[in-house]
Amino acid sequence: EPEVTQTPSHQVTQMGQEVILRCVPISNHLYFYWYRQILGQKVEFLVSFYNNEISEKSEIFDDQFSVERPDGSNFTLKIRSTKLEDSAMYFCASSDNSPTEAFFGQGTRLTVV
Amino acid sequence: ELKVEQNPLFLSMQEGKNYTIYCNYSTTSDRLYWYRQDPGKSLESLFVLLSNGAVKQEGRLMASLDTKARLSTLHITAAVHDLSATYFCAVLGAGADGLTFGKGTHLIIQP
Repeated sequence: EPEVTQTPSHQVTQMGQEVILRCVPISNHLYFYWYRQILGQKVEFLVSFYNNEISEKSEIFDDQFSVERPDGSNFTLKIRSTKLEDSAMYFCASSDNSPTEAFFGQGTRLTVV
Repeated sequence: ELKVEQNPLFLSMQEGKNYTIYCNYSTTSDRLYWYRQDPGKSLESLFVLLSNGAVKQEGRLMASLDTKARLSTLHITAAVHDLSATYFCAVLGAGADGLTFGKGTHLIIQP
């Protein structure tokens, strides 16, 4: 069964460092998303991406965040200068035709120390 | 701003019992999703409800949507321990790409 895969599963970084979280969406999907979940809290939408550009972003997605689809398969989330409050589980998701069902990856747990 | 409220946020119940989780949302939407999350794991899609009056069932779980009342319910019938998890509802607002999630219902089913 096709699935969204994310790497790494866990990343520890020092405050102020840049991190790149990677995702491989399901191959025939066209819409890509990043969400985050701070430990024990609800899942929050960050950004959606379609046709090689951002189609929607939330207030959380400020200038320290960026997304990219560098090739035909990967979808990345970059956090330029990490803060302690960026510690969370980051989920990538993809769908074939928004707004139908989005499939979520297993997540990357980011810990900023 | 779209708000999604779930209740209860925490539910402990015994095997064999029935219970309902409620999801209210604040603005017009006819697209509602239910997800299950096990501790430390990803979000597993359970139901996608796309129209008023939609009802879907899978095993011991049944979800319904009333767009006029802006309410969805997730009903658990004859609960079993394996259903212990956190359940999230999520709503897609009009014209939006991203889902707005509720805070989740942490469900513990005891033998």
